[in-house]
Amino acid sequence: GQNIDQPTEMTATEGAIVQINCTYQTSGFNGLFWYQQHAGEAPTFLSYNVLDGLEEKGRFSSFLSRSKGYSYLLLKELQMKDSASYLCAVMDSNYQLIWGAGTKLIIKP
Amino acid sequence: GAVVSQHPSRVICKSGTSVKIECRSLDFQATTMFWYRQFPKKSLMLMATSNEGSKATYEQGVEKDKFLINHASLTLSTLTVTSAHPEDSSFYICSAVSAGGPSYNEQFFGPGTRLTVL
Repeated sequence: GQNIDQPTEMTATEGAIVQINCTYQTSGFNGLFWYQQHAGEAPTFLSYNVLDGLEEKGRFSSFLSRSKGYSYLLLKELQMKDSASYLCAVMDSNYQLIWGAGTKLIIKP
Repeated sequence: GAVVSQHPSRVICKSGTSVKIECRSLDFQATTMFWYRQFPKKSLMLMATSNEGSKATYEQGVEKDKFLINHASLTLSTLTVTSAHPEDSSFYICSAVSAGGPSYNEQFFGPGTRLTVL
């Protein structure tokens, strides 16, 4: 079956760096998305990886290894506003999104 | 874990026809379901919030007469795109909020429906 795994919850300190991992097993691969979702709000797009390697966008970076079925989202210089859920989603060969359950990130001062 | 399904997964239709997309929570009850539209490699745009037994709440700029939403039961919401046009071609995703149990108040996403209007 198709599966996306990411940690349920992580805690980090303001100003620090945190890495949220996502592993996947899907029928084919047409890209991996990371979204940020604050409570009560719609998810917002963070990144899209379809080729191996690291994509950097400001304080956020996303890495993909297709051979390992693995991605991570790296958040630097953490701010309190980064407290949110982070969703990993993979688009399979049928262009269907397979969603992870999300990682709740708690930032402490 | 909780599963949300969408049907159909993809649909191609002619301009002017109507298309119905179903969103079902398979193993939990959802008093609230959300409908999103995703443009390529972009954020999910919230279209409307669907509450069981009441009228949907539409986001600004979303035409309620064009995108009809019905939330007839605690496990089913439907989105009907009426008189579809090519600009309605998109990826439509629903999500459902668990009404109880161990996943109470968690939001689960469906796999999406790809609509292509010719």
